Amino acid sequence: QITLKESGPTLVKPTQTLTLTCTFSGFSLSTSGLGVTWIRQPPGKALEWLALIYWNDNKPYSPSLQSRLTITKDTSKNQVVLTMTNMDPVDTATYYCGRRGASGSFVDYWGQGTLVTVSS
Amino acid sequence: DIQMTQSPSTLSASVGDRVTITCRASQSISTSLAWYQQKPGKAPNLLIYKASVLQSGVPSRFSGSGSGTEFTLTISSLQPDDFATYYCQQFYTYWTFGQGTKVEIK
Repeated sequence: QITLKESGPTLVKPTQTLTLTCTFSGFSLSTSGLGVTWIRQPPGKALEWLALIYWNDNKPYSPSLQSRLTITKDTSKNQVVLTMTNMDPVDTATYYCGRRGASGSFVDYWGQGTLVTVSS
Repeated sequence: DIQMTQSPSTLSASVGDRVTITCRASQSISTSLAWYQQKPGKAPNLLIYKASVLQSGVPSRFSGSGSGTEFTLTISSLQPDDFATYYCQQFYTYWTFGQGTKVEIK
């Protein structure tokens, strides 16, 4: 059974750095073709892709947010960490992690999501 | 950046209706397209990938077609469980989602 779960703060202040952890089970990020991605969704709005990390440590980022994002993996712990710097109220959203399956670059398994509010 | 535009933004339909949602890409993406269903307060669920491949476990009333810049998601006979918001996603260059299509009860 494949599961993913996001964890991190529910409230951050403007200008702070957000650190989110995705802890997963049922697959290994050392398996060829697999990846873990982060996607966010502001309340009532559409999905926005943020970053992806592959089994081989390749790390594509959203071009519009690349300067603020860092994604890393700890294969031994089955965790992927996303950091986003200089948080702003417009970054308030539910943040999801998901598995990029071996069949292609889409999410075949999703975490439940975690709501992050940016407010002073 | 590749932009994805869905139409309509909202669709009112009845149980049993045939429903079609369109997704257009700002440039050709071959068949690098996925469709997701999302219900309120829940994570999205993968329905279709590579434009027309039905994800395992997804009912056969869902189908996808298209290539290049124009794609469609069709629900052949709308069921009560299908009232939700649907998103397309391109994975040709980076990833981009459409703005969503909400399917509501007529």
